[in-house]
Amino acid sequence: EAGVTQFPSHSVIEKGQTVTLRCDPISGHDNLYWYRRVMGKEIKFLLHFVKESKQDESGMPNNRFLAERTGGTYSTLKVQPAELEDSGVYFCASSAIRGFEAFFGQGTRLTVV
Amino acid sequence: AQSVTQLDSHVSVSEGTPVLLRCNYSSSYSPSLFWYVQHPNKGLQLLLKYTSAATLVKGINGFEAEFKKSETSFHLTKPSAHMSDAAEYFCVVSVPSGTYKYIFGTGTRLKVLA
Repeated sequence: EAGVTQFPSHSVIEKGQTVTLRCDPISGHDNLYWYRRVMGKEIKFLLHFVKESKQDESGMPNNRFLAERTGGTYSTLKVQPAELEDSGVYFCASSAIRGFEAFFGQGTRLTVV
Repeated sequence: AQSVTQLDSHVSVSEGTPVLLRCNYSSSYSPSLFWYVQHPNKGLQLLLKYTSAATLVKGINGFEAEFKKSETSFHLTKPSAHMSDAAEYFCVVSVPSGTYKYIFGTGTRLKVLA
């Protein structure tokens, strides 16, 4: 069974550019989460989808971040325009039942220069 | 509010000696608790989980953790450390209220000395 897959694994962009991160959850998992770890600090919650609906987006830092989940399958997280402080590792996770074990992807390391 | 505290940011042990990584949680509800491990340049891997069944939970690679409600703790242990255990470990809580999001501790970096 394939795990959670994230693309790209690394991305280096200039300040002001746009970047789109993608997450493919485990097939059949309705719950999809985005997390971020900035500069070795805590891993922070960004948002939670149940199927295609945003259940909780309280962790999104500002309106430069836009997350979508087309048809309740894969999800994208767009940062537009990117700022230096957006650099970090973005993790995606999925779970079959919310609150039970979540499976994480390898993460996307975003560097904004 | 729910929170997780990992009491040590760094732990060093010698190979073959026991490992203890400490975690305390705060929750108004009965939580689900997890330990995840991240090896260098790898993703987060689930080590073990507590979801209100047995309080002593066994995980992969010889790790186990005990849920102690009276102490609000969920410490991770292993009888004998191996070099391959060197990694960063995260204690995580999920609270059965609202969106059930997962709340991470700040992480403990384990170093294993030869």
